[in-house]
Amino acid sequence: GAVVSQHPSRVICKSGTSVKIECRSLDFQATTMFWYRQFPKQSLMLMATSNEGSKATYEQGVEKDKFLINHASLTLSTLTVTSAHPEDSSFYICSASGETFTDTQYFGPGTRLTVL
Amino acid sequence: QQQVKQSPQSLIVQKGGISIINCAYENTAFDYFPWYQQFPGKGPALLIAIRPDVSEKKEGRFTISFNKSAKQFSLHIMDSQPGDSATYFCAANTGFQKLVFGTGTRLLVSP
Repeated sequence: GAVVSQHPSRVICKSGTSVKIECRSLDFQATTMFWYRQFPKQSLMLMATSNEGSKATYEQGVEKDKFLINHASLTLSTLTVTSAHPEDSSFYICSASGETFTDTQYFGPGTRLTVL
Repeated sequence: QQQVKQSPQSLIVQKGGISIINCAYENTAFDYFPWYQQFPGKGPALLIAIRPDVSEKKEGRFTISFNKSAKQFSLHIMDSQPGDSATYFCAANTGFQKLVFGTGTRLLVSP
């Protein structure tokens, strides 16, 4: 299967700071990337969908000014959590789909964000 | 109509037994049904997927059964092993649309 990486795997930051999470497709060109948030023992909650070179489409209730998503190339998308607060602490996971498999999503390993 | 209902919420199976997880959907436009396996602290991994033109797909010990008329699909894990202990998510989508996930099933395979 296709490989998606995320960096960092864990990050701890102080309240009020911004944190950037990178998502890379390693062996395919990701035409679409997705960002999810997952709370303990719960399912995945889609935050936004991004296509390379276009503005991200955010799900209802997700603050676009707080969760900045950039999909600058076919292999890289970034999620920046701005002015992070303890309630933003969560497990953030990206996924990607490619030109030849538009309905299949391959997921990254996730990033554990802890805001103190 | 966009929901995918998954059951059971948790499941305990003895080693060597068969684990069965069920999902049901309402949206008849769904045409792609993947299953994901997730270990604690890791991202979901694509396990197996099926499209509605077939009723069953098997990959190793994992089998998806699909019933289009009933709008149901299930995952069977044969000869379940302790290493299969994880959370399993069914999902569905259509074409370029976003995946709709089930609520997850926590499987524990006892040694």
